[in-house]
Amino acid sequence: DAKTTQPPSMDCAEGRAANLPCNHSTISGNEYVYWYRQIHSQGPQYIIHGLKNNETNEMASLIITEDRKSSTLILPHATLRDTAVYYCIVRTLTGAQKLVFGQGTRLTINP
Amino acid sequence: DTAVSQTPKYLVTQMGNDKSIKCEQNLGHDTMYWYKQDSKKFLKIMFSYNNKELIINETVPNRFSPKSPDKAHLNLHINSLELGDSAVYFCASSAQTGAKLTFGDGTRLSIL
Repeated sequence: DAKTTQPPSMDCAEGRAANLPCNHSTISGNEYVYWYRQIHSQGPQYIIHGLKNNETNEMASLIITEDRKSSTLILPHATLRDTAVYYCIVRTLTGAQKLVFGQGTRLTINP
Repeated sequence: DTAVSQTPKYLVTQMGNDKSIKCEQNLGHDTMYWYKQDSKKFLKIMFSYNNKELIINETVPNRFSPKSPDKAHLNLHINSLELGDSAVYFCASSAQTGAKLTFGDGTRLSIL
């Protein structure tokens, strides 16, 4: 699975959009981009995933660049409860189901 | 209705003891996992079972033995506990295809 690079930490004001970047320059054609987050003292939580088209669900939007070498997770109206570590993971849908978590981005939402 | 539940939530024990952590999922998923999160917060996979069959074993010491009596349960037994085993252990499950995992809330293991 391709490696991902994320900033170690970010801050965002409550009510504003939080944009979390992720670089995955070695991504293969059949690899998806997944985002998870881990709120303090809880298990990781799935947010969203995509292949090449932009995706949106009730939690977030995922924007993948045309060359697929980077992506951005957008939390449109961040709340204090969105403070967490966000993980960007790249993997295929087939094969052994092994998610490899990197260091992620520690997002702090400030009041 | 908890989707992935682990027991106990906290486990404090002494070095050399044997302990078990239980995990159950009610999502009808075919695949279950154990992940370990150490003090530096790195999350690493330990084991994965698909329909009771071991499919991933990530160079974990033999003191760790997973057991899956059925596809809804994956237990973790640890023999001769060591100080380095102190960590949070997360159970997770997923449907057979896709990488959308559902995690439990973790078991915090502390070795005295």
